[in-house]
Amino acid sequence: GNSVTQMEGPVTLSEEAFLTINCTYTATGYPSLFWYVQYPGEGLQLLLKATKADDKGSNKGFEATYRKETTSFHLEKGSVQVSDSAVYFCALSPFGNEKLTFGTGTRLTIIP
Amino acid sequence: GAVVSQHPSWVICKSGTSVKIECRSLDFQATTMFWYRQFPKQSLMLMATSNEGSKATYEQGVEKDKFLINHASLTLSTLTVTSAHPEDSSFYICSARDHTGSGANVLTFGAGSRLTVL
Repeated sequence: GNSVTQMEGPVTLSEEAFLTINCTYTATGYPSLFWYVQYPGEGLQLLLKATKADDKGSNKGFEATYRKETTSFHLEKGSVQVSDSAVYFCALSPFGNEKLTFGTGTRLTIIP
Repeated sequence: GAVVSQHPSWVICKSGTSVKIECRSLDFQATTMFWYRQFPKQSLMLMATSNEGSKATYEQGVEKDKFLINHASLTLSTLTVTSAHPEDSSFYICSARDHTGSGANVLTFGAGSRLTVL
C-alpha cells in the first residue's frame, strides 16, 4: 500500500536558519506529492505540490523536488521566519488531490 | 478563498452516547467531502469519502455503522460517532473539494474537531 514517512519533530530553529524536513514515500505508479501546513487553530492548507518526477513545487520561499529515484520529496527553505512556525505534513495521492495518504506531521518552531 | 468550517471544534461526551460533527463549505459547493481521523503523533487516516446525495464510501477497516456519514446538501456533511467509547477519542478532520470557478479542484480542510469520550 501507499505510505509516507517524514522526519519526527519537533524541530526548533532560530530565525533565518536553513530548514529541511525530510519526506520519503512508498507507492505504486506515479503519485502526486504534496506538502500541507497547519497553523495553530486552522485547517491544513496546501503549501506546494508536484505531480511528476523532477517537478519542483514552490511557495512562500519553500521548495520541494519530486525525486523518483530516491522516492523523496524533502521540504526546504533557505531562511525561516517566526511566522513559519506550524505543523507540516507530507502527503501523496495516486488520484490527483483526492484520497491523500499523510505522514505523521512535523512540528516546526522558529525562535527569534 | 474557500473556507471549510467544522463544528464543534471540541466535544466531550460520556461513553455510550452519540456525537455529531458537522463539516460545512462556507462559500462553495462540494459534491465530495472527505473525513479523516488523527491519533496523537500519528498521521491523518482517511476514514471515508462523502458524496452528496449518495452513500459514503468507507475505507477498509472503518465501521460504517459506527461512523455514520450523511452528505445531505452540497455544503454540509455530518459525521456521527454512534455509541462512542473512549477508544473513539480522536481528532476528526474533514476536507471538501471545490469544483467551480477559480478554486476548481482545490481541496480545503477544516480546522478539525477533537472528541474526548469519558
